[in-house]
Amino acid sequence: DSGVTQTPKHLITATGQRVTLRCSPRSGDLSVYWYQQSLDQGLQFLIQYYNGEERAKGNILERFSAQQFPDLHSELNLSSLELGDSALYFCASSVNSNTGELFFGEGSRLTVL
Amino acid sequence: GENVEQHPSTLSVQEGDSAVIKCTYSDSASNYFPWYKQELGKRPQLIIDIRSNVGEKKDQRIAVTLNKTAKHFSLHITETQPEDSAVYFCAASNSHGSSNTCKLIFGQGTTLQVKP
Repeated sequence: DSGVTQTPKHLITATGQRVTLRCSPRSGDLSVYWYQQSLDQGLQFLIQYYNGEERAKGNILERFSAQQFPDLHSELNLSSLELGDSALYFCASSVNSNTGELFFGEGSRLTVL
Repeated sequence: GENVEQHPSTLSVQEGDSAVIKCTYSDSASNYFPWYKQELGKRPQLIIDIRSNVGEKKDQRIAVTLNKTAKHFSLHITETQPEDSAVYFCAASNSHGSSNTCKLIFGQGTTLQVKP
């Protein structure tokens, strides 16, 4: 157990819909990262937050947004869903941002039908 | 933008043999290079990492080498065992401590199969 909690574990929805994925980082970790892992693909960096503020952005679509709340949990919002958005979405956390290990959650598997 | 290329995409070895996975990165400012192992259906987990001020690091059967001039780094697994079978990801980041920014870019992954 990494200490990073993601909900839901599985989610099935239809095209055009909107979903929210939730992540609680390890106790004491200030940084939260979101990654997308599609079938047979690597881990695509989406976005990073540090202590409530956005710090780095990757290839995140405009239909996607995220935020980190004062209690340090984070949410990833995916809207106007398309079939290609089906993937495993990982959240990871770390104590700070400049060095060290990322601790990944178990992921949220999104299926868009 | 930043890019990390990883080869091979699949690797099959006999138990006891060595396995080598290679990665190249594009951002010359990258200074942190971790390797993650992802077993089927599970989350990625860090197995070893190296920083830009070090050329080689070893931890039991696992070693990583870094060539900053050539912008490539490699993972070496010796005496492979069936439980080493997994997907391995290299990654690179240009982390800035003062700004608390760390954009970890992953390679595409290598599926390692160790045959008993």
